[in-house]
Amino acid sequence: GAGVSQSPRYKVTKRGQDVALRCDPISGHVSLYWYRQALGQGPEFLTYFNYEAQQDKSGLPNDRFSAERPEGSISTLTIQRTEQRDSAMYRCASSLGSPGHPNNQPQHFGDGTRLSIL
Amino acid sequence: AQSVAQPEDQVNVAEGNPLTVKCTYSVSGNPYLFWYVQYPNRGLQFLLKYITGDNLVKGSYGFEAEFNKSQTSFHLKKPSALVSDSALYFCAVRDPDSWGKLQFGAGTQVVVTP
Repeated sequence: GAGVSQSPRYKVTKRGQDVALRCDPISGHVSLYWYRQALGQGPEFLTYFNYEAQQDKSGLPNDRFSAERPEGSISTLTIQRTEQRDSAMYRCASSLGSPGHPNNQPQHFGDGTRLSIL
Repeated sequence: AQSVAQPEDQVNVAEGNPLTVKCTYSVSGNPYLFWYVQYPNRGLQFLLKYITGDNLVKGSYGFEAEFNKSQTSFHLKKPSALVSDSALYFCAVRDPDSWGKLQFGAGTQVVVTP
């Protein structure tokens, strides 16, 4: 499809397990972003990439969270040793943009992955 | 630090009436402001943005927003609301120190009744 694709749409796992969330951005989009959205709240920034370079990871809550985009396209957000407080909607977005320039292009969001930790 | 505030949790309007969703911001430097809409079980959809230029910005689906620097506001407006406009609306500001980072407000639920 033409939009940002995230998989899985829903993930239920037991506390302590590792999870990997996938994001396939819009073709040709340089920048890719991860956000987390709690129920009734706006999205909260986690991290973003320009091509394969992670530009800002200041929003990752702790070292259990990591993200990669090794070939500058698909990205994976990994949460190790999950905890119940990690339950949320995880959203990926992508935008046109180029490194070294202010990225004022709109971010286009996928439908998200609903993560539930039991 | 930058922030946005959406003072109304919910806005109720009758179909055909004007719709306004309020947003105020706080940011150092020039503000880069965005509005998004979220439908149930869907991702956020971009509506419009203000970067520079005219204070009245026109966007998708008949929406527009007015940037007011003195009041640090960026209210979303639509002259005649439709039932299909019922959704969750988010205002966002770009972090001037991190080019890719958007700071979102808590959202405003819009309910348009027939």
